Amino acid sequence: EPEVTQTPSHQVTQMGQEVILRCVPISNHLYFYWYRQILGQKVEFLVSFYNNEISEKSEIFDDQFSVERPDGSNFTLKIRSTKLEDSAMYFCAVFGTDIQYFGAGTRLSVL
Amino acid sequence: AQTVTQSQPEMSVQEAETVTLSCTYDTSENNYYLFWYKQPPSRQMILVIRQEAYKQQNATENRFSVNFQKAAKSFSLKISDSQLGDTAMYFCAFTITSGTYKYIFGTGTRLKVLA
Repeated sequence: EPEVTQTPSHQVTQMGQEVILRCVPISNHLYFYWYRQILGQKVEFLVSFYNNEISEKSEIFDDQFSVERPDGSNFTLKIRSTKLEDSAMYFCAVFGTDIQYFGAGTRLSVL
Repeated sequence: AQTVTQSQPEMSVQEAETVTLSCTYDTSENNYYLFWYKQPPSRQMILVIRQEAYKQQNATENRFSVNFQKAAKSFSLKISDSQLGDTAMYFCAFTITSGTYKYIFGTGTRLKVLA
């Protein structure tokens, strides 16, 4: 059983639109992460979230991005005004027992 | 800053043969973990094996084993008795055991197992 479920599996949006990617951990976790993988490239760290606040973010994670856990369960990544270059796979991960468990990813396509 | 380097963009191996994927890393930290993740066409990230830096013994998981050389900062993955299902991208990753535990990934090696 996966530790993390991500929805949707594929999101298509128009440039300039807002998107929200969702992550639902199966059991209680404290550390949450978002990573991005542009097609054919490596997986890059975006942000870590601990105790309901951002603990670290990368230079990629600019003002267009935000994260939150609105109901204490779902962990969301919001991109306010999508750009073509935001097209990528977005992975959510949770930290448990010394390793991170990754979700299956959301493929974001910005047209 | 920590970096992870995978110098082999693509590799191929015959079914049932053995293949080794290379990974080097750079850090000034002493306590860290290293990982190999497999990413099949579905793009799910699947943990293959992990190594704690404080352990001298190389990790082994069935057909997968690592050669961890801490002084050389090298962490290679050996796949024995390669199977068609091993065809995937393989990413080496690193995290220090303090702070946020974020992962730093290498650029990946695309492995193709040939029938």
